[in-house]
Amino acid sequence: GAVVSQHPSRVICKSGTSVKIECRSLDFQATTMFWYRQFPKQSLMLMATSNEGSKATYEQGVEKDKFLINHASLTLSTLTVTSAHPEDSSFYICSARYGRAWDTQYFGPGTRLTVL
Amino acid sequence: EDQVTQSPEALRLQEGESSSLNCSYTVSGLRGLFWYRQDPGKGPEFLFTLYSAGEEKEKERLKATLTKKESFLHITAPKPEDSATYLCAVQATIQGAQKLVFGQGTRLTINP
Repeated sequence: GAVVSQHPSRVICKSGTSVKIECRSLDFQATTMFWYRQFPKQSLMLMATSNEGSKATYEQGVEKDKFLINHASLTLSTLTVTSAHPEDSSFYICSARYGRAWDTQYFGPGTRLTVL
Repeated sequence: EDQVTQSPEALRLQEGESSSLNCSYTVSGLRGLFWYRQDPGKGPEFLFTLYSAGEEKEKERLKATLTKKESFLHITAPKPEDSATYLCAVQATIQGAQKLVFGQGTRLTINP
């Protein structure tokens, strides 16, 4: 099946620093990539949708200046959490979709961010 | 408002004890309902897509069914390796865009 990778898998940073998370589709070209956030024992909440070469579309309540998304190529999207604070600690999951159908969406393994 | 509610929140079964997980949804014009499996510290893994009431899909010990208001994930004679969180999601149109709305999941534990 299609493979999506994320790097790093875990990151611990100090409050006020910025953290970049990479999401790559390894064996397909992704027309669309998504970024989700998941708190413990809670569901996935969509943060933003990005298409290669265009600006990301953020969900209501997600600060675009805080969560910078860059989708530079058909296989790479990055999420930068700027000036991170402890409340940003969460599990961030990306997904990549190669077609229009939602069953062509594959999820990455997630990145655990801990802000001290 | 489009909503997905899963029950129970957590379920413990003995190996071989069959059961069902429920996913109730409220969405205007269902275009797809999805089941995923998520292991701890990992991303969701796609299991099934259901598009219309009456549809059923099977994979090994899992069978997903769909009605106009809910979906069930039936687990027959489960094994410890079936332990995971099972997520349900519906495809919804929100502010003109197609998105997946996820339920909170059912944490399934199969004891040997």
